[in-house]
Amino acid sequence: GAVVSQHPSRVICKSGTSVKIECRSLDFQATTMFWYRQFPKQSLMLMATSNEGSKATYEQGVEKDKFLINHASLTLSTLTVTSAHPEDSSFYICSVIKPDTQYFGPGTRLTVL
Amino acid sequence: EDQVTQSPEALRLQEGESSSLNCSYTVSGLRGLFWYRQDPGKGPEFLFTLYSAGEEKEKERLKATLTKKESFLHITAPKPEDSATYLCAVRDNSGGSNYKLTFGKGTLLTVNP
Repeated sequence: GAVVSQHPSRVICKSGTSVKIECRSLDFQATTMFWYRQFPKQSLMLMATSNEGSKATYEQGVEKDKFLINHASLTLSTLTVTSAHPEDSSFYICSVIKPDTQYFGPGTRLTVL
Repeated sequence: EDQVTQSPEALRLQEGESSSLNCSYTVSGLRGLFWYRQDPGKGPEFLFTLYSAGEEKEKERLKATLTKKESFLHITAPKPEDSATYLCAVRDNSGGSNYKLTFGKGTLLTVNP
């Protein structure tokens, strides 16, 4: 069965607004979760590592003030895209490790108009 | 910096026509090579993990093999439902508990009935 869920699966927003994406670990406690972004016909690119109870670690080139990550519990991490612009339109996917394999959520398609 | 190159970018097969997908990698020290399947609009689905050269793993019509420079995903007598993008990723042994994966761009497999 599914290990990770994401909500929403699709979201359309206007330029300048903020959007929150939830990632839930379904059957175990995840101290670490990962957020990826995937553009059409491109690789999955790691954006940040979300750590429960502490600050997220962002990859080089990812704006931490634009992509806010909150890992408030052992089963929930959220990614907020602030002041979204059309170039932020992408497929956002979260993942967890269980125990030595990374399992991915179903993804969230973000479209910014 | 870790690098993963997958070939071909796209592959069309007739049902029952066996073939192989290639994943070439460069990594400072391999801590795992992973194969995932991704259907359109979905998150990656875990298939296999390989850790050392010479290792092989099988699941139904799929068999993954590993050498020191590349991995192959062999598909035997494929069916239309095997149509998907197959992703290869590596994890290196730097950074202790760091679990960063580097992905290739994937191979889009289409199996015609």
